[in-house]
Formats: sequence, structure tokens, C-alpha cells
Amino acid sequence: GESVGLHLPTLSVQEGDNSIINCAYSNSASDYFIWYKQESGKGPQFIIDIRSNMDKRQGQRVTVLLNKTVKHLSLQIAATQPGDSAVYFCAENPFPDMRFGAGTRLTVKP
Amino acid sequence: NAGVTQTPKFQVLKTGQSMTLQCAQDMNHNSMYWYRQDPGMGLRLIYYSASEGTTDKGEVPNGYNVSRLNKREFSLRLESAAPSQTSVYFCASTLSWTAEQYFGPGTRLTVT
Repeated sequence: GESVGLHLPTLSVQEGDNSIINCAYSNSASDYFIWYKQESGKGPQFIIDIRSNMDKRQGQRVTVLLNKTVKHLSLQIAATQPGDSAVYFCAENPFPDMRFGAGTRLTVKP
Repeated sequence: NAGVTQTPKFQVLKTGQSMTLQCAQDMNHNSMYWYRQDPGMGLRLIYYSASEGTTDKGEVPNGYNVSRLNKREFSLRLESAAPSQTSVYFCASTLSWTAEQYFGPGTRLTVT
């Protein structure tokens, strides 16, 4: 079956640097995507979403880029802070058919 | 607002025991969901309720039942727990299919 996946399971960055977390999806019919942040011992937290009619969407310190040609999604975090340390995962499709990736663990070094 | 609350936070069961996980939201959301999260895997949908009075199966419904008690509350029941149901369970709610989804803090369940 089709699934959402991530290129790298872990990412370590220096505080203040920009972070880029990648996600590949295989269902070309997917038209809605979300990025979530999950801190240890907590539930996932919505970060930003994007629809397939957009290539880019910006939030507070975060930008999501969607490349439908290669079915790739990325989350960019500007000026990464220690509080950004968490697992980030992408998800595709509107509820209830949403499919979630396993996640990338982001560690921010002081 | 408390958002989405879940009880209990932790639970240990023996194989064959039953229990109910409780979930409540105070955001007047229409839709509620139950997920399980296993190590190295993405969230998987167990059951969902699009609106008060309706429930539907998700990706992994076997061994579970749900009740949408009212608009606020959505419970998940394990009738006869099995070790394969050891997992972290999350409840979530949304206003609509493409609205922001709010998750509860989770219930960590161990079945021995």
C-alpha cells in the first residue's frame, strides 16, 4: 500500500541554525498535508498544513514546501531553538483517511 | 480551555482483562478520533466519530469498541486485552476534516 515516509530518522543541529526535515509521500492523489511536532511524553501538536494547490506556506519560524513533481514535503525551521527538540512527522490526506509518517527526531545542540 | 483530556495516563493490564479509556474535549469539536502509536511507526487510526451519534472503523479496529457518549466524550474499550495492544493511545478532535487536529496527552497501556 502507499505510505508516508521520512528520509532521515534523526537530525542534529546547532542552536540558531536552520533545520530542514524531509518527508516523501507516494500517493500522488494526496491533496492535504500536515506537519506535527511531538515532544517526549506528549501528544502530537499541529504545526502547519498545506494543500496541494500550494507550493509553499509560511508560519511563525516555520515554512513548509511541497514539491508535487517528486512527491516531497519539507519543513524548515528558522533559528532552531532548544524548545524545538522533538519528533516531527508529516501526514497526508484529510481526516479520517490521514496517514502518518513515523517521524524524524530533531535534537538541538546548545 | 483544557483542550483534549484523557484518563488514565498509565495502565497495566493482564491478558484477558478489560478496560475503558476515556477522552473528553471542551472545544465543541464535531469529530473525535482514537489512535495508537507504536515504536517506529506512525499513528494508526482505530476508530473515529465524525459527529455525535456516529462511529466508524479506522485502519486497526480489531479488539476495540468505542462509544460517542455525547459531543464532548468519546471512549475506547478493550474487551479482552492482548499483549499486541500494548501501545500509547491518543485521542484527538477536529472541527472539520481539514481543520487543525488537537491531541490529548495519551494513555500508555501495557498488557502482560
